[in-house]
Amino acid sequence: GQQLNQSPQSMFIQEGEDVSMNCTSSSIFNTWLWYKQDPGEGPVLLIALYKAGELTSNGRLTAQFGITRKDSFLNISASIPSDVGIYFCAGQYIGTYKYIFGTGTRLKVLA
Amino acid sequence: GAGVSQSPSNKVTEKGKDVELRCDPISGHTALYWYRQSLGQGLEFLIYFQGNSAPDKSGLPSDRFSAERTGGSVSTLTIQRTQQEDSAVYLCASSLSTSGRLGEQYFGPGTRLTVT
Repeated sequence: GQQLNQSPQSMFIQEGEDVSMNCTSSSIFNTWLWYKQDPGEGPVLLIALYKAGELTSNGRLTAQFGITRKDSFLNISASIPSDVGIYFCAGQYIGTYKYIFGTGTRLKVLA
Repeated sequence: GAGVSQSPSNKVTEKGKDVELRCDPISGHTALYWYRQSLGQGLEFLIYFQGNSAPDKSGLPSDRFSAERTGGSVSTLTIQRTQQEDSAVYLCASSLSTSGRLGEQYFGPGTRLTVT
């Protein structure tokens, strides 16, 4: 199925470090969602973005809707061990119901 | 209920048997989606329901897969004559509507299917 390019694929970082990941598409989206999935669980919605250039925070998480509407970024500041998991982006085309999901960024935090 | 629920949480079945996976969406959510997630992979769209209708079944991998939704609520995904390649986590999501803030999808915990 169709998927977004999400990078990096995986990251090992030290506790306290900042993390950055992104998703890019060849098409324009009107909505970006960012999810986190813990092992054995379903994805949990972290942040939703609806306007080009929009910057939204949720605690230590900050996400931005790229100005070209073809990309989005998620930053995590001062990572902690419970940030471990897989982060997915999802984009929605204008006028459709379907979300296209990224391939995921697997984050591992070393204490 | 507070969130999307799915049952069973785990299912082990023999190749060739039929299985039914259930999804109970958030109350009032008219849109319901089924996805498949293979080990270490992203989410593969299977089918979308609006109310009891399925306007998009394009993601169903074969005619062994079918789904229905009744009463605008509970949905069942059925896999007939299961194959080993059907082994995956099957995720269900629901949303109030399909776009903007009302289109935000909320996921259940998934059903892990293992075909032996």
